[in-house]
Amino acid sequence: QVQLVESGGGVVQPGRSLRPSCAASGFTFSYDPMHWVRQAPGKGLEWLAVISKDGRNQDYADSVKGRFTISRDNSKNTLYLQMNSLRAEDTAVYYCAREGRGDGGSWGFYEYWGQGTLVTVSS
Amino acid sequence: QSALTQPASVSGSAGQSITISCTGTSSDVGGYNLVSWYQQHPGKVPKLMIYGDSKRPSGVSNRFSGSKSGNTASLTISGLQPEDESDYYCFSYTRTHTYVFGTGTRVTVL
Repeated sequence: QVQLVESGGGVVQPGRSLRPSCAASGFTFSYDPMHWVRQAPGKGLEWLAVISKDGRNQDYADSVKGRFTISRDNSKNTLYLQMNSLRAEDTAVYYCAREGRGDGGSWGFYEYWGQGTLVTVSS
Repeated sequence: QSALTQPASVSGSAGQSITISCTGTSSDVGGYNLVSWYQQHPGKVPKLMIYGDSKRPSGVSNRFSGSKSGNTASLTISGLQPEDESDYYCFSYTRTHTYVFGTGTRVTVL
């Protein structure tokens, strides 16, 4: 079955960096675009970034562009999010999600999510 | 990349129908047939309820349906049940090749 397992969260000081990862299994990882989504405590979902199946193309939310970098290693079935210059407002649960393909050629939705990894930015 | 606009809360009695709106622009909701909806219970991972504006994944109750008119998408829950009490988010692709969630709606079953 499809599994997405995030790791690498934790407590980090403002201005520092962190790189959570997402280990994928149960599907052919290199076939699908992958995304990162976050949710601050008590807040809504926020889309962060997407990477193409071959890793060549990425797009980002304005809130993280220039600070966060999404990448993937298809040989290791792993997705990454390099987070630099972290701020208190980056405190959130970070989810990876597999982009789905549905009926009629539909795409751009998430059928599978990881369980999330908590990142806390605090001094 | 402004969040899509949803009502903060919607409530209904068990057995009734409710509709949650999701308003965007022609650059996102209205420009593509790519609106999806997610249900999220407290402390849980979001669950896909609708994709492609109105398509229901296998395993999702047919009490859930999606539609769209212009720049506003809607999620309707028919025959409201206590387990439907949850947060709901819409989601859309945008013209700038990015994606955006809605502000979220808390559904309460009275």
